[in-house]
Amino acid sequence: EDQVTQSPEALRLQEGESSSLNCSYTVSGLRGLFWYRQDPGKGPEFLFTLYSAGEEKEKERLKATLTKKESFLHITAPKPEDSATYLCAVQAETSNTGKLIFGQGTTLQVKP
Amino acid sequence: SAVISQKPSRDICQRGTSLTIQCQVDSQVTMMFWYRQQPGQSLTLIATANQGSEATYESGFVIDKFPISRPNLTFSTLTVSNMSPEDSSIYLCSVEPLSDTQYFGPGTRLTVL
Repeated sequence: EDQVTQSPEALRLQEGESSSLNCSYTVSGLRGLFWYRQDPGKGPEFLFTLYSAGEEKEKERLKATLTKKESFLHITAPKPEDSATYLCAVQAETSNTGKLIFGQGTTLQVKP
Repeated sequence: SAVISQKPSRDICQRGTSLTIQCQVDSQVTMMFWYRQQPGQSLTLIATANQGSEATYESGFVIDKFPISRPNLTFSTLTVSNMSPEDSSIYLCSVEPLSDTQYFGPGTRLTVL
């Protein structure tokens, strides 16, 4: 069964304290792995798509990496505005509906 | 990307009633999706709606409970029928304007009493 597991569930950081969020996945052929940011009361905001092991994407203080079994979202010198829930999702090669399978998310709190 | 709006943004409904949620996108897209996010849970796909064809429902979701319309390439509706408190969730539509990347609307927060 295709599934996604994110860890930790919650993470508290001091401003400037770098860390990483983990997304482990099992899927019958990976078409793509996606990272989203979700603020309270809002829909998920697209961050990155990764397609193959070894691929990396960067945006401001965020960098996403991908291996054959997991992805990491590295947050460098975070600021309080980076506080949000970060969601990881995968899309299987075998999907003919475009279905995204989401993890439970990591809720990040960055304190000033 | 795409700009997506949903109506209503939130609603409180009585059990046994139905609610229709609208999703409007600012550009023509082939694929639109409806997801549910139950309290404390992650997103689960309800169905995929392509213009001109019947919606494709995921396991555990049926057309009688969640009828979907897709009258054109920029609009879709999801109806939550005969509601019970277990239907209290955030309902999100998404679109895929480019290959594989889905963009989400702001969501509709539904509370069923």
